[in-house]
Amino acid sequence: NAGVTQTPKFQVLKTGQSMTLQCAQDMNHNSMYWYRQDPGMGLRLIYYSASEGTTDKGEVPNGYNVSRLNKREFSLRLESAAPSQTSVYFCASSGRGGGRWTTFGSGTRLTVV
Amino acid sequence: EDKVVQSPLSLVVHEGDTVTLNCSYEVTNFRSLLWYKQEKKAPTFLFMLTSSGIEKKSGRLSSILDKKELFSILNITATQTGDSAVYLCAVETGTDSWGKLQFGAGTQVVVTP
Repeated sequence: NAGVTQTPKFQVLKTGQSMTLQCAQDMNHNSMYWYRQDPGMGLRLIYYSASEGTTDKGEVPNGYNVSRLNKREFSLRLESAAPSQTSVYFCASSGRGGGRWTTFGSGTRLTVV
Repeated sequence: EDKVVQSPLSLVVHEGDTVTLNCSYEVTNFRSLLWYKQEKKAPTFLFMLTSSGIEKKSGRLSSILDKKELFSILNITATQTGDSAVYLCAVETGTDSWGKLQFGAGTQVVVTP
């Protein structure tokens, strides 16, 4: 099925460890996004890539890095995980027309202990 | 700074009741306003509104946008237990990409039998 695929679905890290969250879309979308969602809060934008070769900070970029590897793939890296990064992470992609054409991945539940 | 505020944060209703959810916003570069339903997984798209005064309807759900007063309302009539979820309001913003979303914190709706 076409869509956005995120891996892994669950992860437990120790404080200070690093990891990369992977995201791939097969809808030929130009724009891709990483959001985090904390309990009782909506999604907050971490980083985004308007098109292949570009990346920009969102609302909460501190402690994260991203790579737009190609048009399909957009990864999120935590270099030194902290308990404050415990959250659910969603990747999304969007094509021309945005809005209703935004597709979300199923999410990664990350716990940092 | 872009801001999206939803109210109430939570509510409990009985099956058959009508609920009204509110969303106000202050953003630059408004493109559209979207409503999502979230049930412990990725948000599911409900509506996209771009013009004032045009009510969107889908079964028991309807929504309207007021671009002058900068708010939107989501109504759910004849509620069912399956309507229990978090309802997210998001505003699409930006000029460099499609699908860049600023979310509100959400409204938790619980429908009791």
